[in-house]
Parts: sequence; structure tokens; C-alpha cells
Amino acid sequence: GESVGLHLPTLSVQEGDNSIINCAYSNSASDYFIWYKQESGKGPQFIIDIRSNMDKRQGQRVTVLLNKTVKHLSLQIAATQPGDSAVYFCAGDWGGTSYGKLTFGQGTILTVHP
Amino acid sequence: EAGVAQSPRYKIIEKRQSVAFWCNPISGHATLYWYQQILGQGPKLLIQFQNNGVVDDSQLPKDRFSAERLKGVDSTLKIQPAKLEDSAVYLCASSSLAGGNEQYFGPGTRLTVT
Repeated sequence: GESVGLHLPTLSVQEGDNSIINCAYSNSASDYFIWYKQESGKGPQFIIDIRSNMDKRQGQRVTVLLNKTVKHLSLQIAATQPGDSAVYFCAGDWGGTSYGKLTFGQGTILTVHP
Repeated sequence: EAGVAQSPRYKIIEKRQSVAFWCNPISGHATLYWYQQILGQGPKLLIQFQNNGVVDDSQLPKDRFSAERLKGVDSTLKIQPAKLEDSAVYLCASSSLAGGNEQYFGPGTRLTVT
């Protein structure tokens, strides 16, 4: 079945550094991948998404890279700030006809030190 | 624009008791999702509604979990009887057909079963 995994459960960086969070998926390619940020006591918050026909997409301080050959997804955060400290999840949509059925990875805890 | 509302925020019950959670999605969002998030894991989809019809409930433990969305707006998720392993955060999310895959999450209900 489909699964989404993360290489590292925790990541610590200094304020101002760039952060890279990785995600690997198995089985067939999803049509769609999303990165979510979840702060303590809150629901996941959408960061950025990418469709399978793209390799790269940029947002404000964030970039998502998709490598379908090795089934790997990464989230890059530029100039990381203390407010970026949270758990980051990648998710894929393998729903096919069940549009919107997301499978989430376990999450990476990002800690930003001032 | 108001976000997804959920209540209660916290609930503690004993095993074998029943519990219900309520969700009010973002106004106009046709699709509503219930997720279960066990501590240290990513959210897992339980059920997806399109208006008041079920799109996917393949991961809903139907012997004890039930959900409804009678008028295509608010939704309730019920557990009866609860087990210890049901302790988790229950997240509700909604999305609009025009908005594509982007799902907006509520703050969740933290359930503790003792």
C-alpha cells in the first residue's frame, strides 16, 4: 500500500539558517503532495503543495522539490525563524477517484534556536 | 473568514463509555473530513463526506465509530463503546470544490480514554 515516511524525526537549526525536511514515499506516485505545519495544540496548517507534473514549486520562504525517480519530496525553509518551530508533515493524495484522501507521514519536529 | 470549529476541545472518558464530537466546517465547503491523530503520528483519515454523502469510510472502525452529516453542513463523530486505543486527537477538516485539494483543519478534540 501507499506510505509516506520521513528520514529524520527531529531537526534542530539556528535562527537564520536554511532548513531542509525530507520525505520519501513508496508505491505508485501520488497526483499531489502537500506540506503541513502543526503547532502544539493546533490543527495542521497548509504550507505549500505540488502536483506530480512539477519538480519544484516556491512560496514565501519555502520551496518544495519533488523527485519522482527516487520517490522523494523535500521542504526547504529559507532563513528559518523561531516561529517556524513546529511539526512538519508531508502528505500525498493517492485517492484516485476518492479525491482528497490524504495519507500523512509521521512528521518531523523542527526546533529553531534563537 | 471563520475557520473550522470543533467541540469539545478536550474530553476524558472511561473505556466502554460513549463520546461524540462536533464539527462546523468553513461556510460553503462541500467536503468534510474526520481524522484521527495518535500522539507522535500523522493524521489518519477516518471518513470523508461530500455534502451529506459518504465518499470514503474505508478506515473507519465501523463496529464502534459512526459519523453523520445530515444537512451537508455540521458533522458529528461518535465512538461507542470507547477503547483505550481510541485516545487521540480527532481533527475535522473541510475543503471546497473550487479550492482543489487544500484542506483546512480545525483545532481538534483531544480524547483521553482511561
